[in-house]
Amino acid sequence: DTTVKQNPRYKLARVGKPVNLICSQTMNHDTMYWYQKKPNQAPKLLLFYYDKILNREADTFEKFQSSRPNNSFCSLYIGSAGLEYSAMYLCASSRDVLGEDTQYFGPGTRLLVL
Amino acid sequence: SQWGEENLQALSIQEGEDVTMNCSYKTYTTVVQWYRQKSGKGPALIILIRSNEREKRSGRLRATLDTSSQSSSLSITGTLATDTAVYFCATTSSGQKLVFGQGTILKVYL
Repeated sequence: DTTVKQNPRYKLARVGKPVNLICSQTMNHDTMYWYQKKPNQAPKLLLFYYDKILNREADTFEKFQSSRPNNSFCSLYIGSAGLEYSAMYLCASSRDVLGEDTQYFGPGTRLLVL
Repeated sequence: SQWGEENLQALSIQEGEDVTMNCSYKTYTTVVQWYRQKSGKGPALIILIRSNEREKRSGRLRATLDTSSQSSSLSITGTLATDTAVYFCATTSSGQKLVFGQGTILKVYL
């Protein structure tokens, strides 16, 4: 089973309110990633967990938080949503960290901030 | 800097035709991965080509990699309507993050 699940699939949020997105995988992968995808743009890596270690990209460091309570689950947390956060958020997992390993993606959560 | 770059294209072709999508990148890479994203689904790896390979085939798919020009291509022969999707190239090397291009929108009509 190579399924990565994301909840919810659609999320409507108000400006200034928090947002929490959930991802799960059952492949026992060590690494889980979060990407942001805006229309006509490339998916952009926000952060990733390798085992229990969180790595956040420098340019989004203060905007996103994450937690990984166990190997299967990973969340993406936005403390105060802004209009610019409207996007598709893709979760992925891989057996190894970074590098050449295949990443398995979930279907995404479409976030709309109003 | 961006490692993977792909000019956003939208291609519309008839079923049965062949199509080629291109990807260029700016820095050293050891692997190019091509992902396909169908409507309502996440991206899924369809073919991976390494820097020591010039060509890789998988069914109707053919990927090429030219490290001297830092470019890769994905060809699909005998397209089907079910090939309709967005195709991303992504580049990486050992210990580095995967960097995606903007994608090519492919529409195959009957």
